[in-house]
Amino acid sequence: SQQGEEDPQALSIQEGENATMNCSYKTSINNLQWYRQNSGRGLVHLILIRSNEREKHSGRLRVTLDTSKKSSSLLITASRAADTASYFCATDAGGSSNTGKLIFGQGTTLQVKP
Amino acid sequence: EAGVAQSPRYKIIEKRQSVAFWCNPISGHATLYWYQQILGQGPKLLIQFQNNGVVDDSQLPKDRFSAERLKGVDSTLKIQPAKLEDSAVYLCASSRDRATLNEKLFFGSGTQLSVL
Repeated sequence: SQQGEEDPQALSIQEGENATMNCSYKTSINNLQWYRQNSGRGLVHLILIRSNEREKHSGRLRVTLDTSKKSSSLLITASRAADTASYFCATDAGGSSNTGKLIFGQGTTLQVKP
Repeated sequence: EAGVAQSPRYKIIEKRQSVAFWCNPISGHATLYWYQQILGQGPKLLIQFQNNGVVDDSQLPKDRFSAERLKGVDSTLKIQPAKLEDSAVYLCASSRDRATLNEKLFFGSGTQLSVL
């Protein structure tokens, strides 16, 4: 089944640095979403980018989408210790006949050191 | 607005026992999802409801898992009998409509199940 694959699996940076996570997927999509999960908690939606968009910003987050390469990246600028979490990309299945389910990748674990 | 409510927060059972999880989605959300998240992995979709109908249960182990959504609102997920490999966090999520329609998901805190 369609799935997003994140890269790297784990990332450790110092506070103030930028963090970049990548996601690749297999089939056409209507949108791609990024979520954050703090340890022991549910997932929180960060940003949604539609298939006809190339870049989107939200605060310190910047998401790009390249549908020709079936890939997306999430950039967190000026990272903080509170950004320590797991980050997941999720894709729906494109087309009008799909059920609209959202499939998640394996995630990138980000550690931001104070 | 109130978030997605799940209970219990933790559950410990022995293999071959049964267990049930409950989810109350955000009011007015038509789509409800149950995901299974094994430690170190991403969430795996088990079942998706649109109002009170099932639209996707392709990855639900139907010999032991069952789910229903009462009157298109609350939902329960049951496992009977449980196996060791069912140890995971069970996440409930809801959205105003299907994700394909550019809707984001709201997640509950999950139920952490340990099968001994």
